[in-house]
Amino acid sequence: GENVEQHPSTLSVQEGDSAVIKCTYSDSASNYFPWYKQELGKRPQLIIDIRSNVGEKKDQRIAVTLNKTAKHFSLHITETQPEDSAVYFCAASPSGGYSTLTFGKGTMLLVSP
Amino acid sequence: EPEVTQTPSHQVTQMGQEVILRCVPISNHLYFYWYRQILGQKVEFLVSFYNNEISEKSEIFDDQFSVERPDGSNFTLKIRSTKLEDSAMYFCASSESFRTSSYNEQFFGPGTRLTVL
Repeated sequence: GENVEQHPSTLSVQEGDSAVIKCTYSDSASNYFPWYKQELGKRPQLIIDIRSNVGEKKDQRIAVTLNKTAKHFSLHITETQPEDSAVYFCAASPSGGYSTLTFGKGTMLLVSP
Repeated sequence: EPEVTQTPSHQVTQMGQEVILRCVPISNHLYFYWYRQILGQKVEFLVSFYNNEISEKSEIFDDQFSVERPDGSNFTLKIRSTKLEDSAMYFCASSESFRTSSYNEQFFGPGTRLTVL
């Protein structure tokens, strides 16, 4: 089955800095890669996703890159703000939203004012 | 904006007891899922459900677990005889019909924290 590795487990940055979280996956059949943000005690919420037919996607301060050859994808947050502090999970799926999501272990991002 | 809802928010039970966790998926969604998250660990897939039957299940989803859609709105997860290691946050999720898109976001509920004593 699919295995998703995520690094780092914790990431501390100063407000305004950029943050990068990296994930690797093992199953070459995976073609959908969402990123979820989970604030303390709350539900995971999708912040951005990427399909295998594109290499990069951007939404305001958030961008995701995908390298299918190397089987890795990354989340980039620019101009970080304290409200970006949360746990971020990457995931991979072979068939999109109606199939199993395999999650990484999560990255706790702490943005200091 | 429509949301997935779950009840109860917190369930405490004794080891060996049966529990039923309830979810109301978003109304026009046809795919339903249960995930669990042990404290401090990653979210793990348990089971997916479509057209009144299980589509996929993980190794975690053994004979102690079952799912049901008893009516047009609820989706339940039953654990027949709880164990200490079942203590976790259980998330329900739903996604739209695949007919509308090849890739559909899975929307998560707020979770039920299950504590087995």
